[in-house]
Amino acid sequence: GAGVSQSPSNKVTEKGKDVELRCDPISGHTALYWYRQRLGQGLEFLIYFQGNSAPDKSGLPSDRFSAERTGESVSTLTIQRTQQEDSAVYLCASSFIPIQGGYQPQHFGDGTRLSIL
Amino acid sequence: ILNVEQSPQSLHVQEGDSTNFTCSFPSSNFYALHWYRWETAKSPEALFVMTLNGDEKKKGRISATLNTKEGYSYLYIKGSQPEDSATYLCAVYNFNKFYFGSGTKLNVKP
Repeated sequence: GAGVSQSPSNKVTEKGKDVELRCDPISGHTALYWYRQRLGQGLEFLIYFQGNSAPDKSGLPSDRFSAERTGESVSTLTIQRTQQEDSAVYLCASSFIPIQGGYQPQHFGDGTRLSIL
Repeated sequence: ILNVEQSPQSLHVQEGDSTNFTCSFPSSNFYALHWYRWETAKSPEALFVMTLNGDEKKKGRISATLNTKEGYSYLYIKGSQPEDSATYLCAVYNFNKFYFGSGTKLNVKP
């Protein structure tokens, strides 16, 4: 069975460019999460989708960050006008989540390593 | 923001040693705590999901306990092996978000 798939695995881009990161969750998983880990820091929660809806977007670092999910499947995280501080590993995770939240383990992808020059 | 703290930050043990580390969190409004193992060049792997005060979970040589009243969880590894070398993360679920600690990096020397 396929796990969580993220693409690209690595992305190097110039400051000011827009980037789009993709996450394919495990089929049937209704919850999807985005995290980032900057060098030397812990995992930082960005956003969570329940189905195609994001109940809380307050974890997104700035208005340059946006995310969407369609068909209760693929999600994209878009960073506009990238800055050097956006350099990080971006991880996606999914879980099968019934009514109660947080009771199912997350299954992580391998991440996208984003480097802003 | 919910503050999740893990200690120690890193740990070096010899093969065969038993070890344990701590995850501390605010005890109010607790819903769930997760433990993950993150090996270098791999994705984090779920170890345990803990929800009830007094929970004890075990998976092979690894076990975990949970005290929601005082706000901590312990992860124990019995007879550490080199393949246990990884960063161990705990995450607390609260109001639709997961708050991760910064992890404990374990290095087991053969």
